[in-house]
Amino acid sequence: AQSVSQHNHHVILSEAASLELGCNYSYGGTVNLFWYVQYPGQHLQLLLKYFSGDPLVKGIKGFEAEFIKSKFSFNLRKPSVQWSDTAEYFCAVNVYSSASKIIFGSGTRLSIRP
Amino acid sequence: DTGVSQNPRHKITKRGQNVTFRCDPISEHNRLYWYRQTLGQGPEFLTYFQNEAQLEKSRLLSDRFSAERPKGSFSTLEIQRTEQGDSAMYLCASSLDVGNSLYNEQFFGPGTRLTVL
Repeated sequence: AQSVSQHNHHVILSEAASLELGCNYSYGGTVNLFWYVQYPGQHLQLLLKYFSGDPLVKGIKGFEAEFIKSKFSFNLRKPSVQWSDTAEYFCAVNVYSSASKIIFGSGTRLSIRP
Repeated sequence: DTGVSQNPRHKITKRGQNVTFRCDPISEHNRLYWYRQTLGQGPEFLTYFQNEAQLEKSRLLSDRFSAERPKGSFSTLEIQRTEQGDSAMYLCASSLDVGNSLYNEQFFGPGTRLTVL
């Protein structure tokens, strides 16, 4: 079965620090990859997505992610975090042949110290 | 607000009672999904509809759970004889499938938080 692993359960950073959140998935075929964000008290929102093409994808609010197929990874990065980035971040995968369900990782809680 | 809406936002019930949640998708979205999220976990897929047809159900959806989308618009998720293990956030999402894309972005609602005492 497909699965998504997020290795960091809780990350605490100071403002202006660089961020990298790890994500690995297990599936040998073609996948679509996503990062979702959930700010406190708000809905899940799509941060960025990868379908094909350039493995470095840029999303909203200065976030980017790199798809490394050989490592089954899709890590999220931001060069300089802000206090407003405090949120829960979910990596997710959608199997290419099943354009319906999304499989989510367990999430990484990001806390930014002002 | 033209986003996905869910009602109620919170539900507290006693074990053994039945509960029903409602989801109103974004207008004209033909796909509707239900997910469940427990504390410390990401959302888990339960089921989805293409218009009024229920096309896929997860093994998580026991026979106490039933979902409907009778007119291809809003959907209801009913849980019969609730158990404490059913306590979770139930999320609804919708998307527009135009038939020529292998993925259509899913837009999530705020969820219904169920607490079973």
